[in-house]
Amino acid sequence: DIQLTQSPSFLSASVGDRVTITCRASQGISSYLAWYQQKPGKAPKLLIYAASTLQSGVPSRFSGGGSGTEFTLTISSLQPEDFATYYCQQLNSPQTFGGGTKVEIK
Amino acid sequence: QVQLQESGPGLVKPSETLSLTCTVSGGSISSYYWSWIRQPPGKGLEWIGYIYYSGSTNYNPSLKSRVTISVDMSKNQFSLKMSSVTAADTAVYYCARAANYDFWSGYDYWGQGTLVTVSS
Repeated sequence: DIQLTQSPSFLSASVGDRVTITCRASQGISSYLAWYQQKPGKAPKLLIYAASTLQSGVPSRFSGGGSGTEFTLTISSLQPEDFATYYCQQLNSPQTFGGGTKVEIK
Repeated sequence: QVQLQESGPGLVKPSETLSLTCTVSGGSISSYYWSWIRQPPGKGLEWIGYIYYSGSTNYNPSLKSRVTISVDMSKNQFSLKMSSVTAADTAVYYCARAANYDFWSGYDYWGQGTLVTVSS
C-alpha cells in the first residue's frame, strides 16, 4: 500500500495567516491526490482533486500543488471557518489517506 | 442536490456481520463509483472499497476477505456487509460518491456517517 505522511500533524495559526500543509507519498502517485477538510462530527468535504484542481464551490484561498511524491495544500489567508482537520488521499488502489493535520486557532 | 444517507444497526456483536445501506437521493446511482469509508473514533480515515453502478467492485486488500459491497439500482441504494467483526471495526462508517464519473477525483458527496459499535 502507498503510505501518505502529512506534516505537520498539528498547526496553530491566526486568522489571516498563510498556511501550508505537506503530504508525502511513499511512492509516485502522479497527480492522483485529493484534499479534504473535516470538522468535528461532520463528513469530510472535498477541497482539491487531481492535486491542484479546485472543487466547485470551494473558496479560491485554497490551492493545491505538487506531483509524484510531494504535495501541498495552501490556505492563502486563514478564515475562522477554516479551523478544522485536513486530510490528503491518494486514489491508486488501495486508496489511502494521510494521518491528518489539525489546524487550530493560535 | 445529491444526498446520501447511511442506515443500519448501531450495535453489532463480535463475530457477527455488520450490514449497512446507503440510500442516494436527488440523483441517480448510474454512471458513478460509490464507496464505503470508515473512521474509528478520534482516528483517521480508511477506505473500505467501491462499487461501480454496473456492479464491479474493488476492495481494500486488508478487508477483502470480510467485505462485500453490492448495488440495487432499482432502489438507488448500495450496501456494505462486513463479516466476523471485532472491536477494531468500531467506527463511523461513511458512504460517498466518487466525483467526475471516475475513481481518480476523490469523493464529492458524503453521507453524514453512522457510528457502528462492536460490543457484546
